[in-house]
Amino acid sequence: DIQMTQSPSSLSASVGDRVTITCRAGQNTFLNWYQQKPGKAPELLIYGTSSLHSGVPSRFSGSASGTNFTLTISSLQPEDFATYYCQQTYSTPFTFGQGTKVEIK
Amino acid sequence: EVQLVESGGGLVQPGGSLRLSCAAAGFIFSSYEMNWVRQAPGKGLEWISYITSSGTTMYYADTVRGRFTISRDNAKNSLYLQMNSLRVEDTGFYYCARGLGYGNIWGQGTLVTVSS
Repeated sequence: DIQMTQSPSSLSASVGDRVTITCRAGQNTFLNWYQQKPGKAPELLIYGTSSLHSGVPSRFSGSASGTNFTLTISSLQPEDFATYYCQQTYSTPFTFGQGTKVEIK
Repeated sequence: EVQLVESGGGLVQPGGSLRLSCAAAGFIFSSYEMNWVRQAPGKGLEWISYITSSGTTMYYADTVRGRFTISRDNAKNSLYLQMNSLRVEDTGFYYCARGLGYGNIWGQGTLVTVSS
């Protein structure tokens, strides 16, 4: 199984801040990033490591360096306060990271 | 409108069974692979099962293999999850999700509570 280690588990940031969330995979893989707001289903932000899903604002971006994957929000907006998850989609089980809760500072 | 709607959740005793359904609308259901993902209350996401668009290949997480069965009826635009031998730790919201990349969408979820 491909293990996903996501960090940090939570962070506090202000509107306008640049935010970075990291997932480390146990091996090379493909990666999705999701956003989940309280009481709602997750929504896909990034697929295939760096492709922006339809309708997602361009302030979200994904990148990789080896087995380290990064979600970056270039300028945090009020609607971005949520929990973010990575998921590897290379092989089953399609494991998720533990999640990162982005809170208002 | 493109949407997925789950149903079939509820309260069940340990050892019992439930069958979840996911009704698809607004797209060609038979063209898409599908997944079930669950989330225990206050916890993270756990992928549990996948089925190909034709329904010929299925995969399961170790935590549910042998107890849960994923299936689909493309004529009825529906995805199913048969859950047997339910345990307290199976409690949570169950989501169906279309695909794993571009075009991925999720239903609103259905709550399964396993308790005596």
